[in-house]
Amino acid sequence: AQKVTQAQTEISVVEKEDVTLDCVYETRDTTYYLFWYKQPPSGELVFLIRRNSFDEQNEISGRYSWNFQKSTSSFNFTITASQVVDSAVYFCALSEARRGGGAQKLVFGQGTRLTINP
Amino acid sequence: DSGVTQTPKHLITATGQRVTLRCSPRSGDLSVYWYQQSLDQGLQFLIQYYNGEERAKGNILERFSAQQFPDLHSELNLSSLELGDSALYFCASSIGTSGYEQYFGPGTRLTVT
Repeated sequence: AQKVTQAQTEISVVEKEDVTLDCVYETRDTTYYLFWYKQPPSGELVFLIRRNSFDEQNEISGRYSWNFQKSTSSFNFTITASQVVDSAVYFCALSEARRGGGAQKLVFGQGTRLTINP
Repeated sequence: DSGVTQTPKHLITATGQRVTLRCSPRSGDLSVYWYQQSLDQGLQFLIQYYNGEERAKGNILERFSAQQFPDLHSELNLSSLELGDSALYFCASSIGTSGYEQYFGPGTRLTVT
């Protein structure tokens, strides 16, 4: 069975600090996809990144970076020089890959509530 | 704005009633997914449709049903509502069925009283 664990329930930092959100996953599949979503106070879920299991390159997008390590089944998310607008709940998610156009449900972690204080 | 629309935004109803939630996917997306977000269960997958056909079922109650129409919009029907059904219901869409990112709508907040 697939499982995603975000052990950090809440994190609170002061603006401009760097913060890392942890994500550990479990799957028996050799091919799978990992995602991060952001849920700001307004409630919508915003897609941030997708990574497939064969691509272990780290990715940087502005102040955001992601570290994917298959050896530890982790897909961590770092925000550099955090800003108040980064305050949100962040979800890590996992989906399996099916050949022939199979189904693809997302299995979400419980989320990490990040608060950036001015 | 993800391009996925959901109506209504809020819904308040009584126990035992039936409601219908509506979703229009992003232009060009063929897959529609429904998720339920509650404080105790977190974000849970309910059901997926691809081009009108059901593709996967998650922890969806028998009192709940869904369908995707020829114009690709989808409806989630919730019947015999219970207090525990109060939650935020999200619709998401993707261009394909496997490996693609899902774009979420703004959600429908259902309150059962």
